Amino acid sequence: NAGVMQNPRHLVRRRGQEARLRCSPMKGHSHVYWYRQLPEEGLKFMVYLQKENIIDESGMPKERFSAEFPKEGPSILRIQQVVRGDSAAYFCASSPRQTYEQYFGPGTRLTVT
Amino acid sequence: TQLLEQSPQFLSIQEGENLTVYCNSSSVFSSLQWYRQEPGEGPVLLVTVVTGGEVKKLKRLTFQFGDARKDSSLHITAAQPGDTGLYLCAGGGSGNTGKLIFGQGTTLQVKP
Repeated sequence: NAGVMQNPRHLVRRRGQEARLRCSPMKGHSHVYWYRQLPEEGLKFMVYLQKENIIDESGMPKERFSAEFPKEGPSILRIQQVVRGDSAAYFCASSPRQTYEQYFGPGTRLTVT
Repeated sequence: TQLLEQSPQFLSIQEGENLTVYCNSSSVFSSLQWYRQEPGEGPVLLVTVVTGGEVKKLKRLTFQFGDARKDSSLHITAAQPGDTGLYLCAGGGSGNTGKLIFGQGTTLQVKP
């Protein structure tokens, strides 16, 4: 049973470009959560989605960040006009229902140059 | 604002020693999770504790949830180099939305 998959694992973007991070949840999981881990900081919640719905986006920056989880395909975290402060590891987690017992992917490490 | 504080932040011990990591809060959590994260990888779920006073064992790891569900501890017996890693506690945020609040983590190094 494949775990949570994220791609790319590493992403380099120049300031002002767009970054698209993809997350495929575990089989049978329809709930997806995105977290960000900044250097020397802990994991911070960003957004929680179910298929086609955003349930909680209280951790998302107000501008430039968006997330979706379409009926078909992976969840996407999109960062427009990236800045150096966006450099971080972005983790996706999934669960079969709304629960705190979440399973994490390997992360995407975004570097903004 | 719900916060989880872990202590110690760093721990370096010799193989065979015992250790305890603490996770404390002033808030009540419906559950607490413990994760282990290795460099360049995502957190791996070790255990979930739900009931106040609950104790769970996973081989040489013992997890305890405080009676008031505000704190938790992880005890490792006879640590091995393979236990080296970052240990994270996480609790469910208020509102029951699935949002996890993480502690800052405890970096454990076990020397052979």
